[in-house]
Parts: sequence; C-alpha cells; structure tokens
Amino acid sequence: AQRVTQPEKLLSVFKGAPVELKCNYSYSGSPELFWYVQYSRQRLQLLLRHISRESIKGFTADLNKGETSFHLKKPFAQEEDSAMYYCALTSGNKLVFGAGTILRVKS
Amino acid sequence: NAGVMQNPRHLVRRRGQEARLRCSPMKGHSHVYWYRQLPEEGLKFMVYLQKENIIDESGMPKERFSAEFPKEGPSILRIQQVVRGDSAAYFCASSPPGQGRNTIYFGEGSWLTVV
Repeated sequence: AQRVTQPEKLLSVFKGAPVELKCNYSYSGSPELFWYVQYSRQRLQLLLRHISRESIKGFTADLNKGETSFHLKKPFAQEEDSAMYYCALTSGNKLVFGAGTILRVKS
Repeated sequence: NAGVMQNPRHLVRRRGQEARLRCSPMKGHSHVYWYRQLPEEGLKFMVYLQKENIIDESGMPKERFSAEFPKEGPSILRIQQVVRGDSAAYFCASSPPGQGRNTIYFGEGSWLTVV
C-alpha cells in the first residue's frame, strides 16, 4: 500500500539553524512526491515537487529512491517558516499525505 | 481568480444534526477532491469527483457521508446524523481537466465542531 511517513510531529529549531523535515514513503513504481505547507489555519500551499527540482523560499528536497526518502531541507531557518509541513505522493487519482510535521522556529 | 472557496469556514452542529459543506472550485476546474484532517492526524483522502460523477470514493465512510458535484453549483459534502468523531477540518481541493495531480489547489477548509 502507498504510504507516507513523517516521523516527527514537532520540530523546534532556532532561527538561523538548519532544518530537515523527514519524509519516507512506500510505493510500488515511480512516485511523484510533493511538499505542502500550511500556515496557521490557512489553506495548504504547494511548496515544491520532486520532478521540478526547484527551490522555493530556500527549501529543497531530493528524492532518494534507495532510501525511499524525500526529506525537506533549508540551511537557515527563519521565523516565518513556522508552519505545518506535509509530505505527499500521488496514488492513482489522489494525493496521499503524511501525518505532517509542525516546524517551530524560535528567535 | 478567487481560488477554491469553501463555506462555511466554521460550523457547529449538535449530535444527530446534518452538516453540509460547500466547495466552489477554481474557475475552469472540473475536478474536486475532499480531504479530512482530524486532530493530531494528517490529511485523509475522502472522495474525488468530476462534474456529475463520483470517480473515487474509497476514503468515504460507508454510512452518513455523501458527496456530490452537480453540473451547476458547488460541490457539497454532506454528513448526516453527525457524531462527535466527525469534528474535523474538511478541505476541498480542485484541479483543471487533463493536467493531473500536480496542479491541485486547496481551499481554506471548513472546521466542523460537533457538540
């Protein structure tokens, strides 16, 4: 079964520190993977997708098929990065989401 | 383009009442998805609809829940005889035809509280 695992419910870092939000997946075939961000009680926004290999707001994520991971990274956290982050993959007609990780950036 | 519009944003219902959540997709979008976000849990897929058709309802509870996307008007998620466990945020998303899941856009959610 397709599954996305985000092992950390909460990640708390200081401003300026590096950030890594973990995401592992199980999927038979070639997955399409995404990161979505949800600021407090707002809509989910697409942050980035693995096929475009882009960097948005300083965040990057590399698909590692050997480790079945798609960790989200940023070298220097900013306070405005505080939000809920969801890793997701496409499965048929739908997106399958992980449980999400709350990122708190402290000043 | 106003984006995906959901209403109401907040809804309070007593146990046993009905809840109706509405979703107007982005202009030009003909695919609608409903997701549920329970406290302390991630987003769970519920249903995928196209105009007048339910394409995938594998995530819908077998009873009390139904969804429609009529030819005219918004998509509606209907929960009959609500129970406390239905309290959650319900997110709608839409995508245009023919462009796959990459271009899915979410609404701001409807928060249902059952008292």
